Amino acid sequence: QKEVEQDPGPLSVPEGAIVSLNCTYSNSAFQYFMWYRQYSRKGPELLMYTYSSGNKEDGRFTAQVDKSSKYISLFIRDSQPSDSATYLCAMNSGGYQKVTFGTGTKLQVIP
Amino acid sequence: NAGVMQNPRHLVRRRGQEARLRCSPMKGHSHVYWYRQLPEEGLKFMVYLQKENIIDESGMPKERFSAEFPKEGPSILRIQQVVRGDSAAYFCASSPTSGRGGNEQFFGPGTRLTVL
Repeated sequence: QKEVEQDPGPLSVPEGAIVSLNCTYSNSAFQYFMWYRQYSRKGPELLMYTYSSGNKEDGRFTAQVDKSSKYISLFIRDSQPSDSATYLCAMNSGGYQKVTFGTGTKLQVIP
Repeated sequence: NAGVMQNPRHLVRRRGQEARLRCSPMKGHSHVYWYRQLPEEGLKFMVYLQKENIIDESGMPKERFSAEFPKEGPSILRIQQVVRGDSAAYFCASSPTSGRGGNEQFFGPGTRLTVL
């Protein structure tokens, strides 16, 4: 079993839809949770960064962490064609530890 | 404020040659991480370095791979005697010297290594 599981998609949605992306994990030591966006042939770009359980909102993006279920989510409201990319969940136990990534979910937002 | 810099962006090597990948962290960052991304796969941790120290190399293959982060200059990931299976995108990330506990990692554009 992988430490971090993420549905690879692809996920296709119409412009304006609400997108829900999810990851599950098995390591209870993970404390910090991140979402990265990666465009084709580019480096990952940090979108959201949260600590422990709870919600965090930034513009059209909302990250949720449920440590009791070992489940994290990223919601994108009013999705745009420019949101088409691969979204990677990532997490670590803190203190400059290595980050463990999901395999990424490929999202396509259709105009 | 320049981001993480990596060069070269593309590198082609023949089997048996050496590959040298360079990474300059963001200004004010002293923690460097290397990750490898195979096609259609997520990023896999390779090594974590601070200036002149390897902190965690648990993800590095035991042979042919080495990394350094000297007092002056960029971090170097070195692959000796490359094989076709080494073809991948190699990403460098850096973290601020004073983190918020969980160390946000900021990534460079990557070096795409192709082994012929």
